[in-house]
Amino acid sequence: GAVVSQHPSWVICKSGTSVKIECRSLDFQATTMFWYRQFPKQSLMLMATSNEGSKATYEQGVEKDKFLINHASLTLSTLTVTSAHPEDSSFYICSALLGGPNQPQHFGDGTRLSIL
Amino acid sequence: AQTVTQSQPEMSVQEAETVTLSCTYDTSESDYYLFWYKQPPSRQMILVIRQEAYKQQNATENRFSVNFQKAAKSFSLKISDSQLGDAAMYFCAYFGTNAGKSTFGDGTTLTVKP
Repeated sequence: GAVVSQHPSWVICKSGTSVKIECRSLDFQATTMFWYRQFPKQSLMLMATSNEGSKATYEQGVEKDKFLINHASLTLSTLTVTSAHPEDSSFYICSALLGGPNQPQHFGDGTRLSIL
Repeated sequence: AQTVTQSQPEMSVQEAETVTLSCTYDTSESDYYLFWYKQPPSRQMILVIRQEAYKQQNATENRFSVNFQKAAKSFSLKISDSQLGDAAMYFCAYFGTNAGKSTFGDGTTLTVKP
C-alpha cells in the first residue's frame, strides 16, 4: 500500500533553533499534502495544505512566517519551524492525498518536537 | 465551516463484546466523504473504514461497520467482537470536496477490558 515517510520521528533542540521536518510519499505522487499539529490526547489540527508547485494554504491563526512549508516536488513536502520556542513543542503529522477525495489520506508516523 | 462532533470522550468495552462510537457532522455540501481513523499509543494514524456520502449502503470492514444516516448527519462506528488491540483513540473525519481538506472530531478513547 501507499506509504508516507516522515522524518525525523523525534527531535529535541534548543530554543531559537529552526527545525525542518520532511514528509515523503514513497511509492506515489502526491499533489496535495497536509500538515497537522496534535497536542496530547487532542484532535488533529490542520495547519496548512501543501500543493506541489504553489504556495501553501494556511489555516486561520497559523503563522506563515513561523511555519514555512515547501512542496517542491510531487513526493516531498517540508515543514520548517523557524526560531522554535517551547510553546512550539508538539506532535506534528503530515499526510498525503493519493488520487481524489474518495481516497483516504496516508499519514506519516509523526514527529515529536521538543524545544528546550 | 464543517464541524465534526464526537460526543463520547471515553468509551469502554469488554473483550469480545460490541461497542458503538458516535459521530455527527454539520455541512452544507452534498459531495463529501467520511472516515474513521484509529490512533494507538504509537500515534500512527490508521484508516479503519470510509464511507462515500452518495452511497446509501453502510460500509463494512470485517469487524468494523458504520451506521450512516445522511439526513441526520450521523456516522457511527460499530466494533464487533472487540479485541485488546482495538484499544486506541478513534477519530471521525469529514472530507469535503469543495474545501479539499479534512475536519476531524475530538476523538474517542476506547478501552478494551480483558
